[in-house]
Amino acid sequence: RKEVEQDPGPFNVPEGATVAFNCTYSNSASQSFFWYRQDCRKEPKLLMSVYSSGNEDGRFTAQLNRASQYISLLIRDSKLSDSATYLCVVNGLTGGGNKLTFGTGTQLKVEL
Amino acid sequence: ETGVTQTPRHLVMGMTNKKSLKCEQHLGHNAMYWYKQSAKKPLELMFVYNFKEQTENNSVPSRFSPECPNSSHLFLHLHTLQPEDSALYLCASSQEGPRGGEQFFGPGTRLTVL
Repeated sequence: RKEVEQDPGPFNVPEGATVAFNCTYSNSASQSFFWYRQDCRKEPKLLMSVYSSGNEDGRFTAQLNRASQYISLLIRDSKLSDSATYLCVVNGLTGGGNKLTFGTGTQLKVEL
Repeated sequence: ETGVTQTPRHLVMGMTNKKSLKCEQHLGHNAMYWYKQSAKKPLELMFVYNFKEQTENNSVPSRFSPECPNSSHLFLHLHTLQPEDSALYLCASSQEGPRGGEQFFGPGTRLTVL
């Protein structure tokens, strides 16, 4: 089983739609969770952190289910500018500090 | 300069060349990272430096050699690379602590090995 698993997509949705991505992780000792956004040929940028059961920031809602070991990202009223790859990231603290494990990403395309 | 900068942005090198990638962070962070991103693969952590000490080396071949002279600068020295080493190399920094997972990435160096 992959450490962090995501549906690669692409998810093609019309503008204004609600779209949800799921992510599962294998390490039950993982401490914190993140969603990063990566535009084509650009670096990843932090979108949301998830430290407890969930987090909401405007149109974006992230939820964490530790028992089932999955994290979700919900995007409401999607915009053309939301088109990007969304990376699910899991932080497993080691003796050396934070260690992030990235999923392969889910590609979102928002269309007119 | 703000955030995390990387130079060069693009690099083409032969298998016998020696080159270095440079990363600089202007965020006052105390941890820096090198990642490799290949097509269709997740980001792979290569090296971690915490307070200038290397704390993680994810079984990276010795043809990649990191150097962290201070908490703001990170280098990746390259020699006798293989074509499969062609990828985007990303540097990141973070502040160690409860929120240390929030990493800030540089724009990356796109490396092509001929």
